[in-house]
Amino acid sequence: SQTIHQWPATLVQPVGSPLSLECTVEGTSNPNLYWYRQAAGRGLQLLFYSVGIGQISSEVPQNLSASRPQDRQFILSSKKLLLSDSGFYLCAWIPDSSYNEQFFGPGTRLTVL
Amino acid sequence: AQKVTQAQTEISVVEKEDVTLDCVYETRDTTYYLFWYKQPPSGELVFLIRRNSFDEQNEISGRYSWNFQKSTSSFNFTITASQVVDSAVYFCAVYSGGGADGLTFGKGTHLIIQP
Repeated sequence: SQTIHQWPATLVQPVGSPLSLECTVEGTSNPNLYWYRQAAGRGLQLLFYSVGIGQISSEVPQNLSASRPQDRQFILSSKKLLLSDSGFYLCAWIPDSSYNEQFFGPGTRLTVL
Repeated sequence: AQKVTQAQTEISVVEKEDVTLDCVYETRDTTYYLFWYKQPPSGELVFLIRRNSFDEQNEISGRYSWNFQKSTSSFNFTITASQVVDSAVYFCAVYSGGGADGLTFGKGTHLIIQP
């Protein structure tokens, strides 16, 4: 069966520090991968998606970047965190573009102080 | 462009009452998919239902039912005989891209079921 992992589960970082959040998927190959952010009291916002290794599409301009170094690994990064980067970050995947349900990971709660 | 409106920010009902969560979507595409997800306090999103734009039949799954009406661009979710475990934030979402871009979510409805 397929599973999706995210780490860390929680993170507290000072403003201006770097960030690296990792997402890995097991039990599938060549998935489409997604990063969403949920800010407090708001819905989920799509940040990045990837259809393959090295292929990243960005939905909104921001202080963040994403990379996909391996087929089942998706990384969210920042060189210098802002207060506004605080939120709940969710990684998701689908097996292909047929759009059955999107499977979500457990999330990372990031607090920037 | 796509948009999902969940006008109810928070709903509070007493256990065993029926409750309906509203969802209104906007899309220019004729082919699209609608979703409902549940987010319990743990934070993880739990998939509830997917419906494509060509299937307007209502669906019932246990105490859950969904009413899809293309004429009003609505995809409402009803919980019958609510239980405390139904307390969560519920998100409606739409997808209508031709590629692999992600879902467009509403801002969610926080449902509180009081014992």
